[in-house]
Amino acid sequence: LAKTTQPISMDSYEGQEVNITCSHNNIATNDYITWYQQFPSQGPRFIIQGYKTKVTNEVASLFIPADRKSSTLSLPRVSLSDTAVYYCLVGDSRSGYALNFGKGTSLLVTP
Amino acid sequence: DTEVTQTPKHLVMGMTNKKSLKCEQHMGHRAMYWYKQKAKKPPELMFVYSYEKLSINESVPSRFSPECPNSSLLNLHLHALQPEDSALYLCASSSGGAVWNEQFFGPGTRLTVL
Repeated sequence: LAKTTQPISMDSYEGQEVNITCSHNNIATNDYITWYQQFPSQGPRFIIQGYKTKVTNEVASLFIPADRKSSTLSLPRVSLSDTAVYYCLVGDSRSGYALNFGKGTSLLVTP
Repeated sequence: DTEVTQTPKHLVMGMTNKKSLKCEQHMGHRAMYWYKQKAKKPPELMFVYSYEKLSINESVPSRFSPECPNSSLLNLHLHALQPEDSALYLCASSSGGAVWNEQFFGPGTRLTVL
């Protein structure tokens, strides 16, 4: 069972770039890394997923070093509405599913 | 339609009641999930259905009984719950069960057990 470790909380000002790093030392060879965002009293929402190197979409980038033991979610120019909890998930080698949410990182964006 | 719907939004029940939570998706997804989330905690996986068959049960007490009547619908039957079962119950679906499949979550049912 791959375990992830993230900072419990982070603070940022509007307009700044935010980088949240997730450690997953025991990630399996075929595992992907997936990030979700969750607002209070809502279900998590998929942000981005990657296997290696760099992935970018319209809301974020995901950087994965060659050893894949960590990954960094990068949110460019955050706004107040990016205040949320961000979860990093990797696959469960037992089931093959990426379903085990770690403790997440609570991001607070202020003016 | 890229939405997962859950009903009811809120539910209050006594410890002797029987109630059911309902989840529906029309995205053609073949995997569906139930999670439980306590306040300020991450979602905890309860059950996984893959192609309408229960594939994972994370040692959930028998007072929670899942059911998947068809590929679009997932129910969670509740009976003799305890106050500590009060939580947000989240349903999700994905196109398959593989690690690279994005999960789509519903808004959840806020359950209060008195």
